Amino acid sequence: EAQVTQNPRYLITVTGKKLTVTCSQNMNHEYMSWYRQDPGLGLRQIYYSMNVEVTDKGDVPEGYKVSRKEKRNFPLILESPSPNQTSLYFCASSPGDSPYEQYFGPGTRLTVT
Amino acid sequence: KNQVEQSPQSLIILEGKNCTLQCNYTVSPFSNLRWYKQDTGRGPVSLTIMTFSENTKSNGRYTATLDADTKQSSLHITASQLSDSASYICVVSARSEYGNKLVFGAGTILRVKS
Repeated sequence: EAQVTQNPRYLITVTGKKLTVTCSQNMNHEYMSWYRQDPGLGLRQIYYSMNVEVTDKGDVPEGYKVSRKEKRNFPLILESPSPNQTSLYFCASSPGDSPYEQYFGPGTRLTVT
Repeated sequence: KNQVEQSPQSLIILEGKNCTLQCNYTVSPFSNLRWYKQDTGRGPVSLTIMTFSENTKSNGRYTATLDADTKQSSLHITASQLSDSASYICVVSARSEYGNKLVFGAGTILRVKS
């Protein structure tokens, strides 16, 4: 089944403790992206990747890192999480930049205390 | 500034009724417009994608319209069902030298009551 998977789905952590949220897709898509979703603000792009070893900042990249060493994986790294990074995170992939349909993962709910 | 505004913020309708959701955008230069459905606690799922030359696109009971001159789009839901209860997100893609940039609306929360 074609899908985007994220792990973990739920995470509660403390300020400053490094964490990684994994994202994997099995559709051989070139384009992958990370978003955060907060009430009333809609989805905001954190980082995106046009292909392996090609990544770029989205609208809200501060406090996040990403890497794209393989086509299928696009992990999101929070080196020193802070409470304002408490949010719902989505990974998405598509065959290319646009106008291709984006496929979203199930989401990761992160709470930083 | 590229922006996407959706209205209403929320809407409650009775099962079987029709409804229309609105999306106004100031994104330029325009590439395409998408409507997504997001069930609570799940990732968005694409309903339609429309390019500049398309002014209507249907997906089952969902029909999206696009007026590129007035920069408005609407999503019409016919004969609503309880399973239509979700957030509906309008997304506009802007062309740039670095690729296409997606601009997301905040969404309209639809609740269908029996």
